[in-house]
Amino acid sequence: NAGVTQTPKFQVLKTGQSMTLQCAQDMNHEYMSWYRQDPGMGLRLIHYSVGAGITDQGEVPNGYNVSRSTTEDFPLRLLSAAPSQTSVYFCASSYSTNRGVGEKLFFGSGTQLSVL
Amino acid sequence: SQQGEEDPQALSIQEGENATMNCSYKTSINNLQWYRQNSGRGLVHLILIRSNEREKHSGRLRVTLDTSKKSSSLLITASRAADTASYFCATDLNYGGSQGNLIFGKGTKLSVKP
Repeated sequence: NAGVTQTPKFQVLKTGQSMTLQCAQDMNHEYMSWYRQDPGMGLRLIHYSVGAGITDQGEVPNGYNVSRSTTEDFPLRLLSAAPSQTSVYFCASSYSTNRGVGEKLFFGSGTQLSVL
Repeated sequence: SQQGEEDPQALSIQEGENATMNCSYKTSINNLQWYRQNSGRGLVHLILIRSNEREKHSGRLRVTLDTSKKSSSLLITASRAADTASYFCATDLNYGGSQGNLIFGKGTKLSVKP
């Protein structure tokens, strides 16, 4: 199993450009999410999905769109890149969102994005 | 909004020593998890402790949870250079609006010198 695969690993954009960060998992996980990691800020949740066709906003959703047309894929779209979106982006998934049981997250290796 | 806060922010020890990291959180939780992140890599799950548990062990890791103080600690015994990484606590919030999302702290950067 590949686990959680993110592409690209590195990307440089100019202000105003748009792009899509890809995330795919092969573990048949229901739950998928996107986090951004900034120095001194830890990880912050951008968007998440509890199944195909279902998405919702996290803590910092502005400037980002997501969709979940299949169980495997959860792309993150930057609509009009801004320097404030310079960050490392992580996709993560888990089998379910059974809060009573607790589910560990499986992370991708990240995408380092710079917006000039 | 940050739920968990790790302490200290950075920790430097010699190989063979024990490393203790603490995490404090603000609201009621279902469970608390610890993750490790090696430089330039994604996070890796280490251990999960539920709100009705007080202590849990996994190899050289020992996690405690004190829900009355809203705090947890991660102890790594007999540390190795390979333990050098950042360690994050994450809480699964226990209120109706949450979908089981994990909220991460800012992390403790551990450096183990050989």
